[in-house]
Amino acid sequence: AQSVSQHNHHVILSEAASLELGCNYSYGGTVNLFWYVQYPGQHLQLLLKYFSGDPLVKGIKGFEAEFIKSKFSFNLRKPSVQWSDTAEYFCAVMNSGGYQKVTFGTGTKLQVIP
Amino acid sequence: DTAVSQTPKYLVTQMGNDKSIKCEQNLGHDTMYWYKQDSKKFLKIMFSYNNKELIINETVPNRFSPKSPDKAHLNLHINSLELGDSAVYFCASSSRQGGDIQYFGAGTRLSVL
Repeated sequence: AQSVSQHNHHVILSEAASLELGCNYSYGGTVNLFWYVQYPGQHLQLLLKYFSGDPLVKGIKGFEAEFIKSKFSFNLRKPSVQWSDTAEYFCAVMNSGGYQKVTFGTGTKLQVIP
Repeated sequence: DTAVSQTPKYLVTQMGNDKSIKCEQNLGHDTMYWYKQDSKKFLKIMFSYNNKELIINETVPNRFSPKSPDKAHLNLHINSLELGDSAVYFCASSSRQGGDIQYFGAGTRLSVL
């Protein structure tokens, strides 16, 4: 069975600080990896995804993530956060074959202080 | 035009009642999902349908019954509601051709009193 761990449950940063949110997954096969963001009171939306190719993927709003296969990690980064980045961030993994089952991590609440 | 729409947005009801939540997507996707997000924001998949066929059925009480009349609709019926059913329920859809990206509805906040 696949699983996803997000070790940071609540992160508080000042504006312009750099961000790195950890995500580790466990699954024996090939996976597709995602980061979703949920702004306060809104639904989840895709931030970025990795399927294959360059392990460093860039998403919207200046976010990027790096897939490190040997570490089973897919950490999310942003060099300088803004107050508007305050949201809940979810890492997700999907087995690339078979049924499209997506497993979400428990989420990381990011609070950016102006 | 809303890509994935759920109704109602809010649902307040008494324990023991039966209620339904509807979901429709106009993206042409072939796979639809129901997720439950609890008060701690933990998002857990409940069901997934592919072309009207149930393909994922996680450990969910059988009081929850999904129904997919066609591949653009996936409804969720809940019998004998309990306090622990209070949560936000999200519908989502995806397709292989769309890169398996999940598109979520706005959610239905269910409060069981």
